[in-house]
Amino acid sequence: DVKVTQSSRYLVKRTGEKVFLECVQDMDHENMFWYRQDPGLGLRLIYFSYDVKMKEKGDIPEGYSVSREKKERFSLILESASTNQTSMYLCASSSRQGGNYYEQYFGPGTRLTVT
Amino acid sequence: AQTVTQSQPEMSVQEAETVTLSCTYDTSENNYYLFWYKQPPSRQMILVIRQEAYKQQNATENRFSVNFQKAAKSFSLKISDSQLGDTAMYFCAFMKPNTGNQFYFGTGTSLTVIP
Repeated sequence: DVKVTQSSRYLVKRTGEKVFLECVQDMDHENMFWYRQDPGLGLRLIYFSYDVKMKEKGDIPEGYSVSREKKERFSLILESASTNQTSMYLCASSSRQGGNYYEQYFGPGTRLTVT
Repeated sequence: AQTVTQSQPEMSVQEAETVTLSCTYDTSENNYYLFWYKQPPSRQMILVIRQEAYKQQNATENRFSVNFQKAAKSFSLKISDSQLGDTAMYFCAFMKPNTGNQFYFGTGTSLTVIP
């Protein structure tokens, strides 16, 4: 079974804090993704990575950065958290070579509240 | 960027009945994949069904089937014999194989199965 785990289910942070969200997958997937999910807006891609140390901006990268030092781990960093970053954050991974027809496997999500 | 449109924010269906969720997409690509994902309340996002654009035959998975109309750029999901466990958010997604195999998601349809 593919497993994607995220470091926290719920997180409460204060405005201006630096926030780290971690994601780990155990299927040796090359691709990893960070999304934020907001009601009425669906899933929006923040960043993705297709290899170790490689990263690409998604549709809404402003205010975020990422780190991928190891293949199995992809971290999302909020440099200075703001209230408009209160959201559900989802991590996903997939095989680059089309294994399982490119299916993305999702973690359980982290609900972040910034006060 | 590709766009994916789900025009039904909320739907409901009686248990054991059939319901169809709509999805349209906009692309100039010829080789791509389409997906339906399900997100039950407070639970992980999981794949329901996928369709390869080069295949004319509509995909089916048990009670779930799609109506893929490539020329019309339409990809609807039919759920037969609806069950209470089908209550969830459903997201349609588009993917064109490339470096990161990025997905583009619709805004989702919240489906409630009524006992």
